Amino acid sequence: GIQVEQSPPDLILQEGANSTLRCNFSDSVNNLQWFHQNPWGQLINLFYIPSGTKQNGRLSATTVATERYSLLYISSSQTTDSGVYFCAVRVTSGSRLTFGEGTQLTVNP
Amino acid sequence: GAVVSQHPSWVICKSGTSVKIECRSLDFQATTMFWYRQFPKQSLMLMATSNEGSKATYEQGVEKDKFLINHASLTLSTLTVTSAHPEDSSFYICSAREDSNSPLHFGNGTRLTVT
Repeated sequence: GIQVEQSPPDLILQEGANSTLRCNFSDSVNNLQWFHQNPWGQLINLFYIPSGTKQNGRLSATTVATERYSLLYISSSQTTDSGVYFCAVRVTSGSRLTFGEGTQLTVNP
Repeated sequence: GAVVSQHPSWVICKSGTSVKIECRSLDFQATTMFWYRQFPKQSLMLMATSNEGSKATYEQGVEKDKFLINHASLTLSTLTVTSAHPEDSSFYICSAREDSNSPLHFGNGTRLTVT
């Protein structure tokens, strides 16, 4: 099956800093989503981005499908950004969403 | 936006009892719902895929007789953990999508503790 690798596994930032999270995948995909799981376990859908670039406030994401990676940018980080960020992909011929292992982000005040 | 409601948010039960978790799509019809399990500090693991009106498709290693899934309508899927044991304690999350090209939306999860 498809392999999804996220980096870095852990990231500690000071409030106000910027960061880039990366997601590499091993096969063609027709669906890629970024999620934020908060400390209470809730999964928040950040972006549905199989290709191209999208922005939502301080967050933006870019997926280069031909090179099989996606990047999530967080600018001016806040303590509420803390949690785990997951990348999940679906291959062209399948229907299941495969998750990466996540990036644990901690933003300190 | 699309909302998926999952209940209960947490449950404590005794070994040997059964627990039912509900997953509802509130403002869209979900042709497909997925059930995931998540252990502490790990990623989400797909347990099964359910399509409305048909039997669920279970992932390898998931006992279908232990984790009963019913998707009786386009807005409701249930997961029943039968004869629960302490090793079934985990965080269970459901998700739903409107069609095969739609993004996936998640419920808030159910934290199950079996004593």
